[in-house]
Amino acid sequence: DSGVTQTPKHLITATGQRVTLRCSPRSGDLSVYWYQQSLDQGLQFLIHYYNGEERAKGNILERFSAQQFPDLHSELNLSSLELGDSALYFCASSVEILGRAFFGQGTRLTVV
Amino acid sequence: DAKTTQPPSMDCAEGRAANLPCNHSTISGNEYVYWYRQIHSQGPQYIIHGLKNNETNEMASLIITEDRKSSTLILPHATLRDTAVYYCIVRDNSGYSTLTFGKGTMLLVSP
Repeated sequence: DSGVTQTPKHLITATGQRVTLRCSPRSGDLSVYWYQQSLDQGLQFLIHYYNGEERAKGNILERFSAQQFPDLHSELNLSSLELGDSALYFCASSVEILGRAFFGQGTRLTVV
Repeated sequence: DAKTTQPPSMDCAEGRAANLPCNHSTISGNEYVYWYRQIHSQGPQYIIHGLKNNETNEMASLIITEDRKSSTLILPHATLRDTAVYYCIVRDNSGYSTLTFGKGTMLLVSP
């Protein structure tokens, strides 16, 4: 158990819909990272927040947005969903802006 | 552009040492070498990291060449549960650096 909690574990939704994925980082961790893993793309970095501030953005679509709240939990919002958005979405946290990150078990999103 | 190069797959017999190589010839002076692994569809797991010196922890050893252009992750006594994709990542520890995963090496440990 990494200490990072992601909910829900599984999500099935229809095209065009909007979903919110939630991540609770390890206690005391200020950094939260979001990744997308689809079968043909590997682990793709989406976005990084540090203590509520956006620090870095990767290949995150405009239909996707994220935020980190004052209690340090983070949400990833995916809207106007397409079939190609089906993937595993991982959240990771670290105590500082370092490379030793702890990953959650992911949310498996299926868009039908 | 990929910062690291790893073989796509490797095999190892259970109980033997697994030596996973990584080339990072363009590494800069302030970049660390990190290793993670991902067991099928689980969240990636941190293994070890280093800057210049060799490092060892309860999971593995990391050997970095003197010129820092390559490194080797060593699992001293591989078990079936070590079957996973292993990722070698280089990154600095600034506030704006990220963990960028490449394709990694699929290590298959067999009985």
